[in-house]
Amino acid sequence: DAGITQSPRYKITETGRQVTLMCHQTWSHSYMFWYRQDLGHGLRLIYYSAAADITDKGEVPDGYVVSRSKTENFPLTLESATRSQTSVYFCASSGGSGSPLHFGNGTRLTVT
Amino acid sequence: AQRVTQPEKLLSVFKGAPVELKCNYSYSGSPELFWYVQYSRQRLQLLLRHISRESIKGFTADLNKGETSFHLKKPFAQEEDSAMYYCALKRSGGSEKLVFGKGTKLTVNP
Repeated sequence: DAGITQSPRYKITETGRQVTLMCHQTWSHSYMFWYRQDLGHGLRLIYYSAAADITDKGEVPDGYVVSRSKTENFPLTLESATRSQTSVYFCASSGGSGSPLHFGNGTRLTVT
Repeated sequence: AQRVTQPEKLLSVFKGAPVELKCNYSYSGSPELFWYVQYSRQRLQLLLRHISRESIKGFTADLNKGETSFHLKKPFAQEEDSAMYYCALKRSGGSEKLVFGKGTKLTVNP
């Protein structure tokens, strides 16, 4: 599904730096999500959004900030990156009403 | 709070053997259950959802409310089934967010 894209695919950053992961979808889906995938933890929800300008915390929101000024974009910002934020980050979108989540290809982030 | 448990991190079977990936959940209401799959170098994608009651790629899963389980089964595993499998739960009538289990890595050996 080329309808949801994440950038960059790979990112290496240093502890303390701010980094933004981008997510863009072309379906005009109302719902968008950010998950992180870690060995032994599976997928954990960081933040989600039900519509433009509506966001809410997930299971592990600390250290992250999101915004959704436009329906199609849902950037995730690490305000001051820490090594514990080294992970693979997945963005997903959904049309709601129980429709399935469509995932992006993921961003592999390494914090040194 | 809802929780999804996949007790097996790794599961290895031989081609042609039956396979069952276990999923148990805890949720006081009526959940919607899903199986997502991630093949090597591919993105996560939906495999099954319990409300569809369909078979995809030979896989089936039945929601057992009494045992709070949603195990994924296939009678004859194929090598191309090797992947990471995630069970996920959505609360009924509410938020669209999914709670995922920790995943089971299935390897089908030739």
